[in-house]
Amino acid sequence: NAGVTQTPKFQVLKTGQSMTLQCAQDMNHEYMSWYRQDPGMGLRLIHYSVGAGITDQGEVPNGYNVSRSTTEDFPLRLLSAAPSQTSVYFCASTGTTNEKLFFGSGTQLSVL
Amino acid sequence: GESVGLHLPTLSVQEGDNSIINCAYSNSASDYFIWYKQESGKGPQFIIDIRSNMDKRQGQRVTVLLNKTVKHLSLQIAATQPGDSAVYFCAENVQGAQKLVFGQGTRLTINP
Repeated sequence: NAGVTQTPKFQVLKTGQSMTLQCAQDMNHEYMSWYRQDPGMGLRLIHYSVGAGITDQGEVPNGYNVSRSTTEDFPLRLLSAAPSQTSVYFCASTGTTNEKLFFGSGTQLSVL
Repeated sequence: GESVGLHLPTLSVQEGDNSIINCAYSNSASDYFIWYKQESGKGPQFIIDIRSNMDKRQGQRVTVLLNKTVKHLSLQIAATQPGDSAVYFCAENVQGAQKLVFGQGTRLTINP
């Protein structure tokens, strides 16, 4: 199993651009989530999904959209990138709702 | 409300000594706690977890202690090795909630 795979690993955007961060897991996990990590801060939940077709907002959802059309994939979309969205983004999944999350290796995003 | 914090942002220990990383939580309804290790440039990696019906759980060289009376969680690492250098995060979950709440992290540095 590859676990949780995130692409790209690095991305630079200009303010106003849009992009999608990809996340895929091959563990047949129902629960998937996106976190952002800023310097000196812990992980903050952006959006999560408890199964295909179901998504919900986390702590910091503004400026991000998600969809869950399949169990395996949970892409995160930035609609109009802002410098405040410069961060490291982690996707995570688990088979038991919100316990023992397995994390991807992260996407480092810079918005200029 | 829910909040998870750490007593010390940094901790330096001598190689071979035992390390203790502390974490305070504020939500008495939290019933699941988990520790993660994050090495530079990588995603968080699961270390150990504990439910609120337990006060101690041991793994390989690691022990988690839970004191519900004072809402305190600690991670003990025995015989600390250079590979233990990382940032350690605690997180909590309230039963029925669908998100883990993370603390800010403690950076553990091992001195040779």
